[in-house]
Amino acid sequence: DTGVSQNPRHKITKRGQNVTFRCDPISEHNRLYWYRQTLGQGPEFLTYFQNEAQLEKSRLLSDRFSAERPKGSFSTLEIQRTEQGDSAMYLCASSASRRTSTDTQYFGPGTRLTVL
Amino acid sequence: GQSLEQPSEVTAVEGAIVQINCTYQTSGFYGLSWYQQHDGGAPTFLSYNALDGLEETGRFSSFLSRSDSYGYLLLQELQMKDSASYFCARGGATNKLIFGTGTLLAVQP
Repeated sequence: DTGVSQNPRHKITKRGQNVTFRCDPISEHNRLYWYRQTLGQGPEFLTYFQNEAQLEKSRLLSDRFSAERPKGSFSTLEIQRTEQGDSAMYLCASSASRRTSTDTQYFGPGTRLTVL
Repeated sequence: GQSLEQPSEVTAVEGAIVQINCTYQTSGFYGLSWYQQHDGGAPTFLSYNALDGLEETGRFSSFLSRSDSYGYLLLQELQMKDSASYFCARGGATNKLIFGTGTLLAVQP
């Protein structure tokens, strides 16, 4: 399977705990994105990497959130001191940069986070 | 602003044709993408329009009118498996996607 993969698929944690999610993009894709989706809403952009450089962060990404892509391949998203409002589906997407138009982004299956 | 508006729900019968509309605000607009998402699944790319006109991919077509800040997704020969949420999403200079609120399509026998 050469699609985007995410682990874990589900995570239940208690408020105040730290969690970390991993995303493995499609191997030839140099761009990687994190989105968050809550029930009944569209995905909301969190952050974006081109290779190992984090080029944009949403205002949704508070100080408790940090993302890395250390070697320009897989990425991790960490949430510290989780709150109940962090409960959501966290989606990762990847794309290959194209000079002439918006990239097509391919999404992984997501990690569903439940904060108790 | 960069918001997108879609109808919240659409219902149609098997074999029919359905159109899902999307209006957007023009600031920084590059193009319009469409994604399908089944309950509990990942968004799946369907179509993309950067220029005015119709793009056809099998039973699905997408249309864009930049002058009207409007696009639509057309689904033909509806099948039960097409029951899902459909999102339009706008792209811009930074490549992040801004998604609409989604349209829940229910296909009935």
